[in-house]
Amino acid sequence: DAGVIQSPRHEVTEMGQEVTLRCKPISGHNSLFWYRQTMMRGLELLIYFNNNVPIDDSGMPEDRFSAKMPNASFSTLKIQPSEPRDSAVYFCASSLSGTGEGTQYFGPGTRLLVL
Amino acid sequence: RKEVEQDPGPFNVPEGATVAFNCTYSNSASQSFFWYRQDCRKEPKLLMSVYSSGNEDGRFTAQLNRASQYISLLIRDSKLSDSATYLCVVRNSGGYQKVTFGTGTKLQVIP
Repeated sequence: DAGVIQSPRHEVTEMGQEVTLRCKPISGHNSLFWYRQTMMRGLELLIYFNNNVPIDDSGMPEDRFSAKMPNASFSTLKIQPSEPRDSAVYFCASSLSGTGEGTQYFGPGTRLLVL
Repeated sequence: RKEVEQDPGPFNVPEGATVAFNCTYSNSASQSFFWYRQDCRKEPKLLMSVYSSGNEDGRFTAQLNRASQYISLLIRDSKLSDSATYLCVVRNSGGYQKVTFGTGTKLQVIP
């Protein structure tokens, strides 16, 4: 079975450019999470969706960040305009809620470098 | 106070040693607890869940102390392949699956 798929795996861009990260959750999972990981701050939850509806976006740093989940099999995280401090690894994770533990399964991440 | 706190380490231990990590959480209503493992430049993966009665999976033992609000992970007979960062994860009550990750404890097993 395919796990969580993220693209691109690496992204290098210049300050001010728009960046779009993509995620395909595990088929059948109904919760999707976007995380950002840096050495300084560790793993931070940015936003999570349940049944394609954003439930909590309190972790989204500012208006430059936006996330969508148009259907159960696809989500995007967009940064516009990007800044050097956005450089981090962005993980997408999915889980099946309502069945006990709801283990989160992570994608391989997108390594973003903003110059 | 952070919601989930861990000693960042690193813990440098020789092969075969026993090592233990603790993690404290601030919300007494926290419901579920997990340990995740993250290898260098890889994604986090579930290592084991932590049950109230404690649980064991091979060389790994996880325990929960609700009164003191901490969970622990014990690794016996450390292997070189155990070298990784171990993340403590806490889920609060509620119908959704939002969890909070600790910043992780780095373990380096040395030959």
